[in-house]
Amino acid sequence: EAGVAQSPRYKIIEKRQSVAFWCNPISGHATLYWYQQILGQGPKLLIQFQNNGVVDDSQLPKDRFSAERLKGVDSTLKIQPAKLEDSAVYLCASSSTRRPPGTVYEQYFGPGTRLTVT
Amino acid sequence: RKEVEQDPGPFNVPEGATVAFNCTYSNSASQSFFWYRQDCRKEPKLLMSVYSSGNEDGRFTAQLNRASQYISLLIRDSKLSDSATYLCVVTPNSGYALNFGKGTSLLVTP
Repeated sequence: EAGVAQSPRYKIIEKRQSVAFWCNPISGHATLYWYQQILGQGPKLLIQFQNNGVVDDSQLPKDRFSAERLKGVDSTLKIQPAKLEDSAVYLCASSSTRRPPGTVYEQYFGPGTRLTVT
Repeated sequence: RKEVEQDPGPFNVPEGATVAFNCTYSNSASQSFFWYRQDCRKEPKLLMSVYSSGNEDGRFTAQLNRASQYISLLIRDSKLSDSATYLCVVTPNSGYALNFGKGTSLLVTP
């Protein structure tokens, strides 16, 4: 089974520029998450989608960050304009809405996009 | 107060040692608990779920104390390959977004 795919893997931009990240979840996974992981911290949720609808975007800085999942499959996260403090790894994760009895809805993470803002 | 707090580490232990990590959480309504492992410059991966009855997977044992809002992970007979960051994770229920602690770094040395 193919895992969560993300691109690009690395991106370096100057502050005030724009950047976009792409994520393709595991096939059939209805739930998709974007997390931000700053160096030395645990991942922090930015936005959660169920199919093409937003479940939770309470921690998304909406003045500069946007995300979409138009067809309920792959997703794009955009930052415009970027700030120095946006330097982080952006992790995409997906999970199924079905699970065998006695198991949990495991979230599978992609390799992340490492963003450096200079 | 952060929702999930962990020992900051780093923990440097020799091969074969037993090491324990602790974690506390602030939201008493939390229902699902996990330990994730994250290797350097890699994505987090689920290590094990944590239940009130305690659970064991080989050399790894996880415990949950709901009354104290405390989670632990014990690693016995440490291997070099156990070197990683261990992330304590809490969520309102399975299927919801994960709340991660900062992680505890473990280095197992020969």
